[in-house]
Amino acid sequence: GAGVSQSPRYKVAKRGQDVALRCDPISGHVSLFWYQQALGQGPEFLTYFQNEAQLDKSGLPSDRFFAERPEGSVSTLKIQRTQQEDSAVYLCASSLQLGTATYYGYTFGSGTRLTVV
Amino acid sequence: DQQVKQNSPSLSVQEGRISILNCDYTNSMFDYFLWYKKYPAEGPTFLISISSIKDKNEDGRFTVFLNKSAKHLSLHIVPSQPGDSAVYFCAASLGGGADGLTFGKGTHLIIQP
Repeated sequence: GAGVSQSPRYKVAKRGQDVALRCDPISGHVSLFWYQQALGQGPEFLTYFQNEAQLDKSGLPSDRFFAERPEGSVSTLKIQRTQQEDSAVYLCASSLQLGTATYYGYTFGSGTRLTVV
Repeated sequence: DQQVKQNSPSLSVQEGRISILNCDYTNSMFDYFLWYKKYPAEGPTFLISISSIKDKNEDGRFTVFLNKSAKHLSLHIVPSQPGDSAVYFCAASLGGGADGLTFGKGTHLIIQP
């Protein structure tokens, strides 16, 4: 596709519910990142994939958060037993390859706004 | 402990004048710095970057200056236009972006007509 696509755009979950957020990166982009952006804050790194390999998951806030990219393209961020503090915008970004990320920046999707009630 | 700081939550500038957005960082190991622009309900859009071995990078109306000794960078927009009204994020990377980016909290730039 022309850009990074994220779905759903908005998700309201009841506390304790599991959610799955989807990211379709730009076709051919090797690197894929997930970020969490709380209200009034900058995006915070969650995890990073290179193709299907999850190379860094140090930013995941707890073991309730899980991300996968089984075929090296679409990625899913899953949050189990959601809590109110999980309410945020979840951003996905991709880049053609690692070395280009800092020259040209990543391409971000529009995000999924998760509200836990 | 914030490693990238944008101390001005908002900035108002008259159309046609220069906008200067500031960013400070604490980690001297950062090797690249980037600026992103964000409109409401959209993802951040890459604007311009600078390597830690440079002190200036220019792209059209946008110039980024890096002062390594002061651990400070700034984004200059000249002349400012109404479409520049957005939230601007400063970001920094380690190891060519392999570890993701560290973002500041953002500065909301408002261009007054």
